[in-house]
Amino acid sequence: EDQVTQSPEALRLQEGESSSLNCSYTVSGLRGLFWYRQDPGKGPEFLFTLYSAGEEKEKERLKATLTKKESFLHITAPKPEDSATYLCAVQEGSGYALNFGKGTSLLVTP
Amino acid sequence: DTEVTQTPKHLVMGMTNKKSLKCEQHMGHRAMYWYKQKAKKPPELMFVYSYEKLSINESVPSRFSPECPNSSLLNLHLHALQPEDSALYLCASSQERTGMRPQHFGDGTRLSIL
Repeated sequence: EDQVTQSPEALRLQEGESSSLNCSYTVSGLRGLFWYRQDPGKGPEFLFTLYSAGEEKEKERLKATLTKKESFLHITAPKPEDSATYLCAVQEGSGYALNFGKGTSLLVTP
Repeated sequence: DTEVTQTPKHLVMGMTNKKSLKCEQHMGHRAMYWYKQKAKKPPELMFVYSYEKLSINESVPSRFSPECPNSSLLNLHLHALQPEDSALYLCASSQERTGMRPQHFGDGTRLSIL
């Protein structure tokens, strides 16, 4: 059973059409939830870390929020350059590993 | 530009070859990681080094051999690989290994096994 589930798998938006990506998790003892952006042929680029329910972080057109069971990545007025795969990962307990979701592939068309 | 540098960017090797992947970071991070990523899949953890000591080996076959010569460098030695080992190999580093600090990734080495 997946501990980190991202939805939707793929999302196509018109430029300027705001939307949200979802990351739900079932781990206990969450130490941190991380959002990454990955462009084709590149490594994941760190976006945000969220540690506790109610926390919010913003960067340009992106805003990440966290509840006890899920996180949302809100994209406001997206541009074509926001097209990428967005990965959510959680770290629990004293573990080293990042437990990644399968990602959401976002395409923003002009 | 990423602060974790991986070389080479691309590598094609035969199943009998021996090669090495290299990773370097100058952020003063004391934890370094190797991940394997297949197409359209998330990264999968292979190894973790903490203060230059191997902390985690996620049941990786012995044909992959990691090495951490110092706090800035991480190598992955490859020998007798199989075609299914073709993937993007990512290196990452973080300030500490116990969470609370994000891992920063390099752009990877695209490995193809003939």
